[in-house]
Amino acid sequence: AQSVTQLDSQVPVFEEAPVELRCNYSSSVSVYLFWYVQYPNQGLQLLLKYLSGSTLVESINGFEAEFNKSQTSFHLRKPSVHISDTAEYFCAVTLNAGGTSYGKLTFGQGTILTVHP
Amino acid sequence: KAGVTQTPRYLIKTRGQQVTLSCSPISGHRSVSWYQQTPGQGLQFLFEYFSETQRNKGNFPGRFSGRQFSNSRSEMNVSTLELGDSALYLCASSTAAGRYEQYFGPGTRLTVT
Repeated sequence: AQSVTQLDSQVPVFEEAPVELRCNYSSSVSVYLFWYVQYPNQGLQLLLKYLSGSTLVESINGFEAEFNKSQTSFHLRKPSVHISDTAEYFCAVTLNAGGTSYGKLTFGQGTILTVHP
Repeated sequence: KAGVTQTPRYLIKTRGQQVTLSCSPISGHRSVSWYQQTPGQGLQFLFEYFSETQRNKGNFPGRFSGRQFSNSRSEMNVSTLELGDSALYLCASSTAAGRYEQYFGPGTRLTVT
């Protein structure tokens, strides 16, 4: 079975500082990886995804994540954060396989990013 | 294109009652997955439907059930509600049999008293 570990439950940073949210996964088969963001009282919004190809993926709002197969990691980074980035971020994985992987995302416990002025 | 919609947004029920939640996926999406989100357990997968068939199920008791209609809309039902069922229930839709990225609705906040 697959699992996801987000290494930090809370990350406080100052505005315009860089940030890294760490995510490690465990799986015996190949995976697809995602980062989602959740603002208070809202659902999850897809931030970025790794399905195949380049191991560095980027979002339209300046976040990027790098798939590292040898370290089974998919850390999320942003070089300069804004107040509006304050939210909870979830790393998720689904198996590149059929059967019990259908429609199932396995999530980490989430990282609350708080950006201070 | 309209996003995933869920109704109702908020519900208050009493222990022992049952509840039905509804989800309309993005147009053209045929896979619908359901998740339960609680502060203690985080986000947990309930089940997934594709073409009106349940293809995958998480580790939840039989009180949790669902179905999907021919237009891909989905409902989930929880019978004999318990206090621990209080949670945010999220629905997500996907294009291809639920293997790729999923798009989430705003959720239904269920409170059981």
